[in-house]
Amino acid sequence: GENVEQHPSTLSVQEGDSAVIKCTYSDSASNYFPWYKQELGKGPQLIIDIRSNVGEKKDQRIAVTLNKTAKHFSLHITETQPEDSAVYFCAATGRVNAGGTSYGKLTFGQGTILTVHP
Amino acid sequence: GAGVSQTPSNKVTEKGKYVELRCDPISGHTALYWYRQSLGQGPEFLIYFQGTGAADDSGLPNDRFFAVRPEGSVSTLKIQRTERGDSAVYLCASSGTGRNNSPLHFGNGTRLTVT
Repeated sequence: GENVEQHPSTLSVQEGDSAVIKCTYSDSASNYFPWYKQELGKGPQLIIDIRSNVGEKKDQRIAVTLNKTAKHFSLHITETQPEDSAVYFCAATGRVNAGGTSYGKLTFGQGTILTVHP
Repeated sequence: GAGVSQTPSNKVTEKGKYVELRCDPISGHTALYWYRQSLGQGPEFLIYFQGTGAADDSGLPNDRFFAVRPEGSVSTLKIQRTERGDSAVYLCASSGTGRNNSPLHFGNGTRLTVT
């Protein structure tokens, strides 16, 4: 099955700096790569996702890049703010059901604790 | 609008007891998922419902775990003969159609502690 490795496990930056979190995956059939932000006591919240037919996607201060050949994908946060402090998870899936329709059986990375210091 | 609702938010039970965890998905979402998150780890898939049927239950760890979704909306995760190793946060998520990886919306989870 799919295996997702995430690095680093902790990341500390100063407000205004950039933060980069990297993930690798093992299953070349994976075609959907979401990133989630999880705050203490809350469920994961989707912040951005990318599909295998594109190499990069950006949404304001957040961007994700995908290298299918190397099976790497990364999250980039620019101009970090203290409220960006949280645990971030990458995930991957390419699961399809008997009818050939993909569904959300995600394999998550181990998480990165991001701390942004004011 | 209302998100995914999970009750109770916390559950403490004794080893060997039976527990039920409830999930109310976003209205109209046909796909529902259960995940389990141990401390310091990412969520792990347990089971996926498309409508009323369990389309993929390959993540359930053993036959003490069972889930139902009888009317295609609310789902209940049931754990029999609980063990201390079952302690974790149980997360429920729903998505619009379950097709083409429509985004998953997670609830805040039920923190289960088995003493």
